[in-house]
Amino acid sequence: DVKVTQSSRYLVKRTGEKVFLECVQDMDHENMFWYRQDPGLGLRLIYFSYDVKMKEKGDIPEGYSVSREKKERFSLILESASTNQTSMYLCASSFPTTGELFFGEGSRLTVL
Amino acid sequence: AQSVTQLDSQVPVFEEAPVELRCNYSSSVSVYLFWYVQYPNQGLQLLLKYLSGSTLVKGINGFEAEFNKSQTSFHLRKPSVHISDTAEYFCAVSDRRNTGKLIFGQGTTLQVKP
Repeated sequence: DVKVTQSSRYLVKRTGEKVFLECVQDMDHENMFWYRQDPGLGLRLIYFSYDVKMKEKGDIPEGYSVSREKKERFSLILESASTNQTSMYLCASSFPTTGELFFGEGSRLTVL
Repeated sequence: AQSVTQLDSQVPVFEEAPVELRCNYSSSVSVYLFWYVQYPNQGLQLLLKYLSGSTLVKGINGFEAEFNKSQTSFHLRKPSVHISDTAEYFCAVSDRRNTGKLIFGQGTTLQVKP
């Protein structure tokens, strides 16, 4: 089975802190994604990567950056966390030809 | 650009009753379509997908969906629901030219009552 692992299920941070969310997949997928999930808004794409060291902005990249140094690992970085970044963050991966995403269990971030 | 609209934010239904969760999309190009389910405190998992071929697609747990190109819809159905189907359901669309990126709807919460 495909496994996408997110490093932390729950995090509590303070405004202004730097936050790292890590994601690792074990299926050799080229594509990796970070989504943000908020009630009533569904999932919104923050960033995605289709290869090592490659990244593209999604629909809501402001306030976020990403890093992909190895194929299996995709990190989301909040340089200076703000309260409006309190949310559920979902990582996913896929092969580019199928369109099917495999998701991690999510990281719920609270910024105080 | 593509967009997805899930027409109901919440759908309450009694156990063993049929259910339909509605999804409409807009796109200027051909698309792939997906339904995902999210159980409480879990990530999303794929229920079913339409890539090509038959417009009636069968998925896991007895769900099915029908792709209607003229109405740009991809409604999800189940003839008899169980308590365990209580979850949030997401419809998603992907551009056939760039199948890596999915655009999701707002989600529909299915509440199955005993």
